[in-house]
Amino acid sequence: DVKVTQSSRYLVKRTGEKVFLECVQDMDHENMFWYRQDPGLGLRLIYFSYDVKMKEKGDIPEGYSVSREKKERFSLILESASTNQTSMYLCASSSTGRLNPQYFGPGTRLTVL
Amino acid sequence: DQQVKQNSPSLSVQEGRISILNCDYTNSMFDYFLWYKKYPAEGPTFLISISSIKDKNEDGRFTVFLNKSAKHLSLHIVPSQPGDSAVYFCAARPAGNQFYFGTGTSLTVIP
Repeated sequence: DVKVTQSSRYLVKRTGEKVFLECVQDMDHENMFWYRQDPGLGLRLIYFSYDVKMKEKGDIPEGYSVSREKKERFSLILESASTNQTSMYLCASSSTGRLNPQYFGPGTRLTVL
Repeated sequence: DQQVKQNSPSLSVQEGRISILNCDYTNSMFDYFLWYKKYPAEGPTFLISISSIKDKNEDGRFTVFLNKSAKHLSLHIVPSQPGDSAVYFCAARPAGNQFYFGTGTSLTVIP
């Protein structure tokens, strides 16, 4: 079974704090993704990575950065958290190839006060 | 610009009946389509997919239909069960690694 884990299920931070969200996958997938999910907006892609040390901006990268030092680990960083970054954050991974789905972690519900 | 659209935010169906969830897309380069199911406070779970070379794919109670000329995708659940109550997302992928998701349809199956 594909396993994608995220470091925290629930997180509460203060405005201006630096926040790290960690994601680990155990299937040797090349591709990893960070999304946020908000009511009525679906899943919006923040960043993705198709290889170690590689990253691509998604649809809403502003206010976020990422790090991928090892193939199995993809970190999302909020440099200075703001209240509008309160959301559900979802990590996913997939294998390169046409017919391979993404597999998601359980999500991190982040609240910024 | 939303390339994958789910125009029905919610759907209610009686237990045992058919649930039909719809999805439209705009990008003719999409060649792989997927459905995900999501319970509250959990990550989406992959349900079923279809390649653009097919028009139908079945897996148990779940069937996905693809109409390329209409750029339309649908998921049929027969028979619907209360445990199917969740938010369903459709997704599509062109050649490349990025997936595009719809905004989701919340399905309620009434016992």
